[in-house]
Amino acid sequence: EAGVVQSPRYKIIEKKQPVAFWCNPISGHNTLYWYRQNLGQGPELLIRYENEEAVDDSQLPKDRFSAERLKGVDSTLKIQPAELGDSAVYLCASSLGGGPGETQYFGPGTRLLVL
Amino acid sequence: DQQVKQNSPSLSVQEGRISILNCDYTNSMFDYFLWYKKYPAEGPTFLISISSIKDKNEDGRFTVFLNKSAKHLSLHIVPSQPGDSAVYFCAAKPPNAGKSTFGDGTTLTVKP
Repeated sequence: EAGVVQSPRYKIIEKKQPVAFWCNPISGHNTLYWYRQNLGQGPELLIRYENEEAVDDSQLPKDRFSAERLKGVDSTLKIQPAELGDSAVYLCASSLGGGPGETQYFGPGTRLLVL
Repeated sequence: DQQVKQNSPSLSVQEGRISILNCDYTNSMFDYFLWYKKYPAEGPTFLISISSIKDKNEDGRFTVFLNKSAKHLSLHIVPSQPGDSAVYFCAAKPPNAGKSTFGDGTTLTVKP
């Protein structure tokens, strides 16, 4: 079974440029998560989807970040415009459901460097 | 305010010995705890979890202990193997929520 797929794996952009990350979750997983992991820190949740609905986006900086999960499968996370402080690894994860006992499966992440 | 803390950034142990990784939390609403393992250039992988109704959960070489009164949990790896060398993250969830709050991780190095 294929795991969570993310692309691109690496991205280098100049500040103020837009950038987008794509995630394909494990087939059949209804819940999708986007996390940001800064260097030397643990992942921090940006947004969580249950199917197409964003059920927790309290930590998403909505002035520059946006996300969508059309048809409840693939998801895209966008930053526009990017700032130097956005340099981090962006992780996508999925799980069958959103309950506390559900195992989250993480993708390899997209490493973003903003110059 | 960091709600999940892993105070040891790194730990080095000899192959065959026990590795003990520690985690403290401050939010008394957390009732489900998880450990993830992360290799370089990969995403975290779920390792083991424990519900607050238990104080111990064991899976092969991995055992997680929970001390609710102290708001402390630990992961024991016995015996440690070189392949266990990775970053270990502790995470916690409140009831009925999918959101996990992660610690900053502990880098474990197991020397042959």
